[in-house]
Amino acid sequence: AQSVTQPDIHITVSEGASLELRCNYSYGATPYLFWYVQSPGQGLQLLLKYFSGDTLVQGIKGFEAEFKRSQSSFNLRKPSVHWSDAAEYFCAVRLRDTGRRALTFGSGTRLQVQP
Amino acid sequence: DVKVTQSSRYLVKRTGEKVFLECVQDMDHENMFWYRQDPGLGLRLIYFSYDVKMKEKGDIPEGYSVSREKKERFSLILESASTNQTSMYLCASSSPIYKETQYFGPGTRLLVL
Repeated sequence: AQSVTQPDIHITVSEGASLELRCNYSYGATPYLFWYVQSPGQGLQLLLKYFSGDTLVQGIKGFEAEFKRSQSSFNLRKPSVHWSDAAEYFCAVRLRDTGRRALTFGSGTRLQVQP
Repeated sequence: DVKVTQSSRYLVKRTGEKVFLECVQDMDHENMFWYRQDPGLGLRLIYFSYDVKMKEKGDIPEGYSVSREKKERFSLILESASTNQTSMYLCASSSPIYKETQYFGPGTRLLVL
């Protein structure tokens, strides 16, 4: 079945450490890919997106993500985490050239930042 | 900037009540969506609308209906609220101009007693 997987439910990193959040999808063709962040009690904010072209995309708040077709992955990275990055992160996909306009979301990764 | 607003941040309702959740977007987006979010389940699509008065069921439409009388407004209706509809409800909008990138409102946390 087509799906989006975020294998890490919860990650804890120290402030200043690097971060990588994993996302894998299982679709036949490359979908449009998104990362969103949700602070406690808030809606989702778009961090970055990949449609085509350069496989390394830059987003807001110092985040980047790399699309790897061979691994069906779109992992989110940040070189140095700040305490304000503590939040829940969602990977999402949208199939190209289909009638489905909605996104399919992974189940999320909650990031905790230790001082 | 895209702005999506939702009428309430928190709602407390009783079982059996009819509940209306309102969402308004100011970017003239064609598409609007309602999701519910539950711990460990991510976001699940309830309904979406691709034009005024047009709607399609999402993955979990049971117990919900929607209304879109104006392009900027999309309402989610719980005809008879039940305790298993206690959840966070998120509205989003998108446009094919932006390859359907979705922009979200702040969410409504609904508690059904």
